[in-house]
Amino acid sequence: QVQLVESGGGVVQPEMSLRLSCAASGFTFSNYGMHWVRQAPDKGLEWVAVISYDGDKKFYEDSVKGRFILSRDNSKNMVYLQMNSLRAEDTAVYYCGKDVRTEAAAIEKWGQGTLVTVSS
Amino acid sequence: AIHLTQSPSSLSASVGDRVTITCRASQGIANALAWYQQRPGKVPKLLIYDASRLGSGVPSRFSGSGSGTEFTLTISGLQPEDFATYYCEKYYGFPLIFGGGTKVEIK
Repeated sequence: QVQLVESGGGVVQPEMSLRLSCAASGFTFSNYGMHWVRQAPDKGLEWVAVISYDGDKKFYEDSVKGRFILSRDNSKNMVYLQMNSLRAEDTAVYYCGKDVRTEAAAIEKWGQGTLVTVSS
Repeated sequence: AIHLTQSPSSLSASVGDRVTITCRASQGIANALAWYQQRPGKVPKLLIYDASRLGSGVPSRFSGSGSGTEFTLTISGLQPEDFATYYCEKYYGFPLIFGGGTKVEIK
């Protein structure tokens, strides 16, 4: 069955960096777009970024553009979110998600999430 | 940017009730809309995509309709496990946007 396992979260000071990883299994990884979605404590869902099935197209939410970098390694079934210049408002649970299609549509499977806390 | 407005933001209902949640887009988004369920402390789950297509393994009491700017999620016969928060999401153009959520509580 489809499994997504995020890792790399933790506590970090403002302006520091963190890299999140998502390990995928149970499906043909190279055929699907992959998303990151975050949820601040007791808040709603916020889409962060998506990468196309082949890694050629990447799209970001405006507040992370220029700070976050999305990448994938189809040989390892992995997707990565490099987060730079972190801010307090980036504090959230970050979910990795598998798209229903090759690029950007609905998120049909979600990982368990990894918590990122930005605090001095 | 396109905005999504979900209504109501919360509702109280009883087991067996028919529940309807609305999501309005500020501009037309064709049928590029999904609905998700999130139970407390749990991961979101896809219910509906392409406005009306049922996600894998989703019970048939969930249905979606609409296109353009107005969309509806209907739960026909609310079950105890359906008490949760529901989000719509548009994926027509970028950025992808989630609605603010509708919390369905037990009456």
